[in-house]
Amino acid sequence: AQSVTQLGSHVSVSEGALVLLRCNYSSSVPPYLFWYVQYPNQGLQLLLKYTTGATLVKGINGFEAEFKKSETSFHLTKPSAHMSDAAEYFCAVSAGGGGNKLTFGTGTQLKVEL
Amino acid sequence: GAVVSQHPSWVICKSGTSVKIECRSLDFQATTMFWYRQFPKQSLMLMATSNEGSKATYEQGVEKDKFLINHASLTLSTLTVTSAHPEDSSFYICSARWPGGSYEQYFGPGTRLTVT
Repeated sequence: AQSVTQLGSHVSVSEGALVLLRCNYSSSVPPYLFWYVQYPNQGLQLLLKYTTGATLVKGINGFEAEFKKSETSFHLTKPSAHMSDAAEYFCAVSAGGGGNKLTFGTGTQLKVEL
Repeated sequence: GAVVSQHPSWVICKSGTSVKIECRSLDFQATTMFWYRQFPKQSLMLMATSNEGSKATYEQGVEKDKFLINHASLTLSTLTVTSAHPEDSSFYICSARWPGGSYEQYFGPGTRLTVT
């Protein structure tokens, strides 16, 4: 079984500041990890994914995440926040591939202030 | 590429009626689609896995007779909420798995269901 914990249901940063959204996972098998973004009343858009190989993965819109097995973490970062980054972010884990069912975290609402 | 659509985007129905939601993969064929439910300000909860040409697999606690899923073709899955009640009001999101053993799912824009 898999589970995901996202620390901080709300994160607020200033425009231009570092964005750090935390995600810890639990999985009995090597995980596939994902970050999704959701804008109000819309579906989810994939930001980035980790499957195998390089543990630092880069995604769209300047986001990146690092898989740290020893810490069971997959935190999402962006060096400089933009107003358009304000949205809900979900971390998700899948066992044996993302084509299998995803287990989502509870989400983090990112607010970007001027 | 990899576009998934849902129809309708929002629907209001009366208690006791049924409503059908369509999920289509527009530019790829998907043997597997997933249906999720999302309550306000909460995460997505997987309801069922829909496989083309076979019965859907429901998650524990999801009433299969209430949430009917039909995956009749490689590009279309439907979710029918039968005898809807106000507690069924929610945001329903589908996703489609990219073919060929890939690990990616592409999500639809969601359907807002309100039962009055």
